[in-house]
Amino acid sequence: EIVLTQSPGILSLSPGERATLSCRTSQSVTSSYLAWYQQKPGQAPRLLIYGASNRATGVPDRFSGSGFGTDFTLTISSLEPEDSAVYYCQQYGRSPMCSFGQGTKLEIK
Amino acid sequence: QVQVLQSGAEVKRPGASVKLSCKASGYSFTNYGIAWVRQAPGQGLEWMGWISGSTGYTNYAPNLQDRVTLTTDTSTSTAYMELMSLRSDDTALYYCARSLHYMDVWGKGTPVIVSS
Repeated sequence: EIVLTQSPGILSLSPGERATLSCRTSQSVTSSYLAWYQQKPGQAPRLLIYGASNRATGVPDRFSGSGFGTDFTLTISSLEPEDSAVYYCQQYGRSPMCSFGQGTKLEIK
Repeated sequence: QVQVLQSGAEVKRPGASVKLSCKASGYSFTNYGIAWVRQAPGQGLEWMGWISGSTGYTNYAPNLQDRVTLTTDTSTSTAYMELMSLRSDDTALYYCARSLHYMDVWGKGTPVIVSS
């Protein structure tokens, strides 16, 4: 069974700084099947990145995804206060069919 | 616009079953699947299962496959999730989402409380 491990658990940064969030998988994942989501308190998750590096509709270009194999990264180039949220990575295809990482909480100082 | 609308909150006793609905609109229901994801209070996202909007093919999370059933009604573009033998740790917010490989349209979630 594939396991997704996100790091760090909590990230505290200031506006304008660069955030780098990691997602490591216990088995190699096809890049097409790696996604990132943003969840703000009291809201449903929002798709940010699909296929490891493709921004979803309406997602600002300060968000970017990269990586392949077992090592994937979500980068936020210049943080805005509204980027405060929990970020989840998700894989599709490996057993189980779909699974999420445990999340990284991003706090904006 | 493209959206999925979920049914309202449920309160159930331990051992009971719950059946939630998810009505899709604004897109062709049979071109996508519906994923179900739950989130216990203060916890992360847990994928529960997926159903094809065209064939009805299902795939379930191993830890839930004995208790969860996903179905669809293509005539109304509605997906259903039934969870049986409820326990207190099934208390959570249950989301449905339009899905192929990723989930791009999410419902607002249905709270389910399991309490005696």
